[in-house]
Amino acid sequence: KQEVTQIPAALSVPEGENLVLNCSFTDSAIYNLQWFRQDPGKGLTSLLLIQSSQREQTSGRLNASLDKSSGRSTLYIAASQPGDSATYLCAENGGYQKVTFGTGTKLQVIP
Amino acid sequence: GAVVSQHPSWVICKSGTSVKIECRSLDFQATTMFWYRQFPKQSLMLMATSNEGSKATYEQGVEKDKFLINHASLTLSTLTVTSAHPEDSSFYICSARDRGWTDTQYFGPGTRLTVL
Repeated sequence: KQEVTQIPAALSVPEGENLVLNCSFTDSAIYNLQWFRQDPGKGLTSLLLIQSSQREQTSGRLNASLDKSSGRSTLYIAASQPGDSATYLCAENGGYQKVTFGTGTKLQVIP
Repeated sequence: GAVVSQHPSWVICKSGTSVKIECRSLDFQATTMFWYRQFPKQSLMLMATSNEGSKATYEQGVEKDKFLINHASLTLSTLTVTSAHPEDSSFYICSARDRGWTDTQYFGPGTRLTVL
């Protein structure tokens, strides 16, 4: 059974800080990895998708990296803003569309 | 980008009734759709895989007779929670597989079910 772990489970930072969210997975045959944002009581918003052949993807203030050999992905958020407060989920696609979600990191950015 | 919609976005029902949730891929055809469930403060767990024109595949521990899935067309899958009970209250999210070059799942906005 594939496992996806996110550390930390919760994070509180002052506005303007750069921060890193971590995602670890056990599947060595990863197909791709996605990072999502989920606001309270809401659905998922896709942030970044990294294919197994890629090492990183960037979108605005977000940068996600993928290291298959170590089974890790990181989501880097630059110059954090209160509007970034949400739960961030990583999801590992092990092929045949078998997606396993991580446990999530709840981020709070304090004004 | 590909869009997946769900209807309704929230529903409240009495215990013992059945509730149907629709999942539609709006601008692409999806031979495979997935249904996930999320309990409070937990992550998403796959319930079942829905294949167009065939029976759904359920994950271990998910009752197929309670959660009826129908994938009658390439753009629509439905999940019916039969004889709902309070413990079925959850956030249900569907996704649709776009077999383009990225072979990506696109997620719907979710449906919050509350069973009284």
